[in-house]
Amino acid sequence: QVQLQESGPGVVMPSGTLSLTCAVSSDSVSSNPWWSWVRQSPGKGLEWIGEVSHSGASNYNPSLKSRVTMSVDKSKNQFSLILTSVTAADTAVYFCARGPTSLNCLDPWGQGTLVTVSS
Amino acid sequence: DIQMTQSPSSLSASVGDRVTITCRASQSITTYLNWYQLKPGKAPKLLIYGASSLQTGVPSRFSGGGSGTDFTLTISSLQPDDFATYYCQESYRIPFTFGPGTKVDIK
Repeated sequence: QVQLQESGPGVVMPSGTLSLTCAVSSDSVSSNPWWSWVRQSPGKGLEWIGEVSHSGASNYNPSLKSRVTMSVDKSKNQFSLILTSVTAADTAVYFCARGPTSLNCLDPWGQGTLVTVSS
Repeated sequence: DIQMTQSPSSLSASVGDRVTITCRASQSITTYLNWYQLKPGKAPKLLIYGASSLQTGVPSRFSGGGSGTDFTLTISSLQPDDFATYYCQESYRIPFTFGPGTKVDIK
């Protein structure tokens, strides 16, 4: 059963850089073309942040594109998210997910990790 | 961006009730529509992909329908485990927008 687990600092300073990693188990990051990040701000809905390919290609939400970088580390079987110049508006639960898959969906997802932007 | 709306935003229902949630896209997305279930502290769960295909392992009381701009998620007989928030998502065009969610709670 494929499992994804997010990790990273729970608190980031305003104007700082948010950095998260998603470890993949029981699957290879090379087996699926795309891996995604999604976030949910407190009391709000879901926002697709972007996707990264094991080949190095990436696509980002235009609303975040100038601040986002995603990458894949095949040797560690994980992928990462970097978000720069964070503000309180970036406080959210961040999820990683496999996909979009060949069925054009995200499955499975990690449990999510809460990142709070605060001094 | 494609805009997604859902109705209702919340509903109260009893175990055994039939529940239907509606999702509407701002333009045609054919059948590039997925449904997810979210519970606090748990990994989101894919229920339906391609508008009407039931994900493996998901109970058959869940069903999806629609195409173009209008879609539905139906729970035929609500069970205690189904009290959660449900989101639709278009996978037709980046940035793969989600609907605002529908919270289903106990009546």
